[in-house]
Amino acid sequence: AQSVTQPDIHITVSEGASLELRCNYSYGATPYLFWYVQSPGQGLQLLLKYFSGDTLVQGIKGFEAEFKRSQSSFNLRKPSVHWSDAAEYFCAVGAGGAAGNKLTFGGGTRVLVKP
Amino acid sequence: DAGVIQSPRHEVTEMGQEVTLRCKPISGHDYLFWYRQTMMRGLELLIYFNNNVPIDDSGMPEDRFSAKMPNASFSTLKIQPSEPRDSAVYFCASRRTSGSSGEQFFGPGTRLTVL
Repeated sequence: AQSVTQPDIHITVSEGASLELRCNYSYGATPYLFWYVQSPGQGLQLLLKYFSGDTLVQGIKGFEAEFKRSQSSFNLRKPSVHWSDAAEYFCAVGAGGAAGNKLTFGGGTRVLVKP
Repeated sequence: DAGVIQSPRHEVTEMGQEVTLRCKPISGHDYLFWYRQTMMRGLELLIYFNNNVPIDDSGMPEDRFSAKMPNASFSTLKIQPSEPRDSAVYFCASRRTSGSSGEQFFGPGTRLTVL
């Protein structure tokens, strides 16, 4: 069975500073990997996804993530955070069926942005 | 497009009562997913449907939970009888297969409180 670990429960970052969120996954085959963001009281919005090909993927809102098979990681980065990036971020791995129907989510990382 | 629609957005009920959560997926999407989010267990997939047929209900906690999808534009998740430990945010998500990148689109969620 697949699993996802997000080691950091909370991260506080100053506005304008860089941000990196860690994600480690466990899955026996080629993973389908996703990063979602959840603002307070809202549903989840997809930031980016990896299926195959280039291991550095670009997403919305200036985010990018790098897939490293050797480390079983899919870390999310942003060069310069904005106050609006304060939210909770979820890494997920997909398995089963076309493009990973069954998603397993990590526990999430809550990002606080200091002015 | 209106996105995934869930109702009600908030539900407060007493232990033992029946609760019905509703979801309207995005038109043209042939997969529908029900998730539950709690502080203790994070985001869990409860059940998902393809073309209105339940494919995997292994995440449904117990017999008190049931889900139906009578047509392509409507699904319900029912809890009978409800218990305080069912208090959570329930999300519905949908996606389409053809030409799909695998992204699941989430609704805003229903926050359920069982007293």
